[in-house]
Amino acid sequence: GNSVTQMEGPVTLSEEAFLTINCTYTATGYPSLFWYVQYPGEGLQLLLKATKADDKGSNKGFEATYRKETTSFHLEKGSVQVSDSAVYFCALINNNDMRFGAGTRLTVKP
Amino acid sequence: ETGVTQTPRHLVMGMTNKKSLKCEQHLGHNAMYWYKQSAKKPLELMFVYNFKEQTENNSVPSRFSPECPNSSHLFLHLHTLQPEDSALYLCASSQEATSGNNEQFFGPGTRLTVL
Repeated sequence: GNSVTQMEGPVTLSEEAFLTINCTYTATGYPSLFWYVQYPGEGLQLLLKATKADDKGSNKGFEATYRKETTSFHLEKGSVQVSDSAVYFCALINNNDMRFGAGTRLTVKP
Repeated sequence: ETGVTQTPRHLVMGMTNKKSLKCEQHLGHNAMYWYKQSAKKPLELMFVYNFKEQTENNSVPSRFSPECPNSSHLFLHLHTLQPEDSALYLCASSQEATSGNNEQFFGPGTRLTVL
């Protein structure tokens, strides 16, 4: 079946540090991959997506590359800000089935 | 108003109460979803409606009853809930539920506490 596994949090970084949140998936065929972000007190917002192998999604300084050979979609940002503190969810859609990871809480300290 | 809205934002109810959650989307989408978000658990898909027809019910207890009167509105009727049903209930919408490249837009959620 389809599933998403992402690194457990919480992750705590200092401002301007480099961020990586690992995400791997299990799926047959060619899923579309997403990163969503949930700020405190809000719903999930789409951060970026990639729909085929080797695609790179990017938004607000965040990037993730669809790696079919490693079934991964790791989220990266070169220099995090306090305002990036949130919960990040990796997700996939495959054959009309959408699956989310458990979420990784990121806290960025000044 | 734009996007996906949910009311109420917070709800406290007793186990014998009956209440309803409301979701409205202003995006012209044809699919709507209910999710349950509990602490330290993955997001759980509860129900999917595509063109007002329920297409998925992920083994949700009958004390949760969805209603989709049109493609812009989705309700979740609650009765005889248990304390373990306390969670954040998220509504989402997408263009349609049968497309593989089908990003979902989420509302802010209703924080439900069952006493």
